[in-house]
Amino acid sequence: GNSVTQMEGPVTLSEEAFLTINCTYTATGYPSLFWYVQYPGEGLQLLLKATKADDKGSNKGFEATYRKETTSFHLEKGSVQVSDSAVYFCALNTNAGKSTFGDGTTLTVKP
Amino acid sequence: NAGVTQTPKFQVLKTGQSMTLQCAQDMNHEYMSWYRQDPGMGLRLIHYSVGAGITDQGEVPNGYNVSRSTTEDFPLRLLSAAPSQTSVYFCASSYSGGQSGANVLTFGAGSRLTVL
Repeated sequence: GNSVTQMEGPVTLSEEAFLTINCTYTATGYPSLFWYVQYPGEGLQLLLKATKADDKGSNKGFEATYRKETTSFHLEKGSVQVSDSAVYFCALNTNAGKSTFGDGTTLTVKP
Repeated sequence: NAGVTQTPKFQVLKTGQSMTLQCAQDMNHEYMSWYRQDPGMGLRLIHYSVGAGITDQGEVPNGYNVSRSTTEDFPLRLLSAAPSQTSVYFCASSYSGGQSGANVLTFGAGSRLTVL
């Protein structure tokens, strides 16, 4: 079956530090890959996505590249802000409204 | 445009009670799904639906029931609540196809359930 393995957290960084959250996946077929973000007390919302190999998703300074050869979709940001503090989920989708999620990584950014 | 609306936001139940979590979407999405979120375990799929009249089990379906009589609504029923069902529940919808937004989940705000 499909699975997503995410870098274990929590992660604590100082403002303006570089962020990497690792994500690897196992899937049958050709999945679409996603990063969702959950701010405190809210539901999840899409951060970025990629639908095929070598695609790069980007949004709000975050980036992730779909690497089929390493089955990875690592999330990066060059300079984090306090407002980026949230829980980040890597996910994949192969079809029919079923998505598989990683366990989530809690990011705390300190001023 | 409300998106995905879940009710109630909070609920406390006693063991053995039953209840229904409501979910409605106004985006004409064909896919709807229910997830539960537990600390350190990410989101786990409970049940999902690919269209009105069609439902299927996800990863953790035991103790839950769903139906999809309309495109808009996808209620989740707890048949006999247990403490292990204490969790935060999220409803989500999405659509298929080749458009750029296909398969992106739109989530409701969540329903926090406590079973005593």
